[in-house]
Amino acid sequence: KAGVTQTPRYLIKTRGQQVTLSCSPISGHRSVSWYQQTPGQGLQFLFEYFSETQRNKGNFPGRFSGRQFSNSRSEMNVSTLELGDSALYLCATGLSTGELFFGEGSRLTVL
Amino acid sequence: QKEVEQNSGPLSVPEGAIASLNCTYSDRGSQSFFWYRQYSGKSPELIMSIYSNGDKEDGRFTAQLNKASQYVSLLIRDSQPSDSATYLCAVNSGVEGWGKLQFGAGTQVVVTP
Repeated sequence: KAGVTQTPRYLIKTRGQQVTLSCSPISGHRSVSWYQQTPGQGLQFLFEYFSETQRNKGNFPGRFSGRQFSNSRSEMNVSTLELGDSALYLCATGLSTGELFFGEGSRLTVL
Repeated sequence: QKEVEQNSGPLSVPEGAIASLNCTYSDRGSQSFFWYRQYSGKSPELIMSIYSNGDKEDGRFTAQLNKASQYVSLLIRDSQPSDSATYLCAVNSGVEGWGKLQFGAGTQVVVTP
């Protein structure tokens, strides 16, 4: 059974640019959540999508957005990148048990 | 502000000994509790889930939950060098959908041969 697939794995951007990250969930998983991990703040919840609808949103500015497609694949977008957006962005998918399974992450560096 | 607290460590454990990790949470209504293991440079890996008071054992791992004390713990028996990692406690409130977890900062465990 394939796991959660995230692309790209690594990327470097400059301040002011925007970035789009992609996540393909485990087959059958309709919930997709996004998390940001930094050394200073740890793992922080960004948002969750279920059946193409945003079900939850964390405390991040509006520059962070996402969407989910009918095949449950999800994308997140960060516009007007800031240095502080450098982080590991993790996608997680799961079922109603609440157990979440993470992808390998997309490591974003903002210069 | 809902919080999940863990000792940051590092927790140094001799090989073969028991590692004991603790986690407290502030939201009394929390329903689901998880332990993740994260190796350096890797993503978190789910190792245990627990939903009701008491103990749950899976191989060398035992999770313990006490909702009255708002406390969840993880025991690692017969610790191995491969257990050296950061262990993250995660909590779900149960009312905002299952995809939103509140994570602790993690406890770094170092198993010494």
